[in-house]
Amino acid sequence: AQKITQTQPGMFVQEKEAVTLDCTYDTSDPSYGLFWYKQPSSGEMIFLIYQGSYDQQNATEGRYSLNFQKARKSANLVISASQLGDSAMYFCAMRRFSSGSARQLTFGSGTQLTVLP
Amino acid sequence: EAGVAQSPRYKIIEKRQSVAFWCNPISGHATLYWYQQILGQGPKLLIQFQNNGVVDDSQLPKDRFSAERLKGVDSTLKIQPAKLEDSAVYLCASSQGGLAGGPGELFFGEGSRLTVL
Repeated sequence: AQKITQTQPGMFVQEKEAVTLDCTYDTSDPSYGLFWYKQPSSGEMIFLIYQGSYDQQNATEGRYSLNFQKARKSANLVISASQLGDSAMYFCAMRRFSSGSARQLTFGSGTQLTVLP
Repeated sequence: EAGVAQSPRYKIIEKRQSVAFWCNPISGHATLYWYQQILGQGPKLLIQFQNNGVVDDSQLPKDRFSAERLKGVDSTLKIQPAKLEDSAVYLCASSQGGLAGGPGELFFGEGSRLTVL
C-alpha cells in the first residue's frame, strides 16, 4: 500500500519570501513518481512539478523546486519569492510505476497556503 | 489543445435521487480517472479506465456508483441513489501514458460539484 502524508493543514508566508510545504510518502515500490498540484479556490488541479524516484537531481520549474530526500522518503515543495496568487491548496501525490501497478495518483490531504501582503 | 471537459459544473439534488456526470478527456489520452474530493480532503480515486476497460475500481461504492467509458473516449459517472455523504467535487482526469508508458502527469477537468440535501 502507498501513503502520502502532509502534516501542515495550513501555512502562512509573507509575500516575496520562500516557503516549504512538507510531504512524506511510504511505498515499497522502487519505481515511482512524486507530483505536486496546486488547487486554487476555483477548484481546478494545476500540475506544478514532478520528481522521479531515479532522478539524480532535484526537479525545478521556475519558482518551484522539489527537495527530494529519498532515504527519508520526503518530497518537499519549495516556492521561492511567494506571490499573492500562490494562495491555494497544495497537494502532494505519488504514482507507482512498477509492473502490475495501476499507476493512479494517490494524494495527500493537502496544505492550504496563504500569502500575506 | 482542449483540456478535460466535465459537466455539469454544479448539481444540487435531494438524497435518494440520481445524478450523472460526464467527462470528455484530452484527445488521445488512453487513461481516464474519476476522483472524489470531499471538502477539505485530497482527491480519492473512484475508478480508473484504460481505453474502455476498468483497471481499478476497488474504491468505488458499487452499490450506488457506476461508471462506464464506452468506445474508450467519453465517460459517465452515475450515483443512484445519492446519500448526504456523496456531497463532493467529482474530478475527471486523463493521462497519455498507458500502463506501460512513462510518468505522464494527469490533466484534470474543473470538476463537478455535487450537493446532496
